[in-house]
Amino acid sequence: DAGVIQSPRHEVTEMGQEVTLRCKPISGHNSLFWYRQTMMRGLELLIYFNNNVPIDDSGMPEDRFSAKMPNASFSTLKIQPSEPRDSAVYFCASSLSGSADTQYFGPGTRLTVL
Amino acid sequence: GNSVTQMEGPVTLSEEAFLTINCTYTATGYPSLFWYVQYPGEGLQLLLKATKADDKGSNKGFEATYRKETTSFHLEKGSVQVSDSAVYFCALPSYNTDKLIFGTGTRLQVFP
Repeated sequence: DAGVIQSPRHEVTEMGQEVTLRCKPISGHNSLFWYRQTMMRGLELLIYFNNNVPIDDSGMPEDRFSAKMPNASFSTLKIQPSEPRDSAVYFCASSLSGSADTQYFGPGTRLTVL
Repeated sequence: GNSVTQMEGPVTLSEEAFLTINCTYTATGYPSLFWYVQYPGEGLQLLLKATKADDKGSNKGFEATYRKETTSFHLEKGSVQVSDSAVYFCALPSYNTDKLIFGTGTRLQVFP
């Protein structure tokens, strides 16, 4: 079975550019989570969706960040404009909702903003 | 709200040594408790979980017992291997939501 799929795996961009990260959750899972991981701040939850609807975006750092889930099999996290402090590994995870069940993480996207 | 505290790392051990990584929690009710592991360059993956008090979760030689008396869920392994070198996260659900609250992670380094 395919796990959570993220693309790209690595992204290097220049400050001010738009960055779009993509995620395909496990089929049948109806909760999706976006996390950011850095050495300084550890693992942070940015936003999560349930049945394609954003439920909690309190972790989104600022208006430069936005996330969408147009259907059950696809989500994007967009940063516009990007800044060097956005450099991090971004993880997508999915789970069956309703019971805070096990979350399954993707391999992550390592973003470097120069 | 629910919260979790785990011991600071790094933990450095020789191969075949005994491992304990401490985790304590504060929670409303008795939620499931989780240990996740993150190997270098990878995402987090579930290592084990326990769904109710006194349950013992186990996987790959690791064990953790859900102890409500001490509000703890310590991770143990009797004989670690170099391949166990990773970061370990304790976690529990946020009250009444689908979110998981993760500890800060404990880095384990095992040397031959």
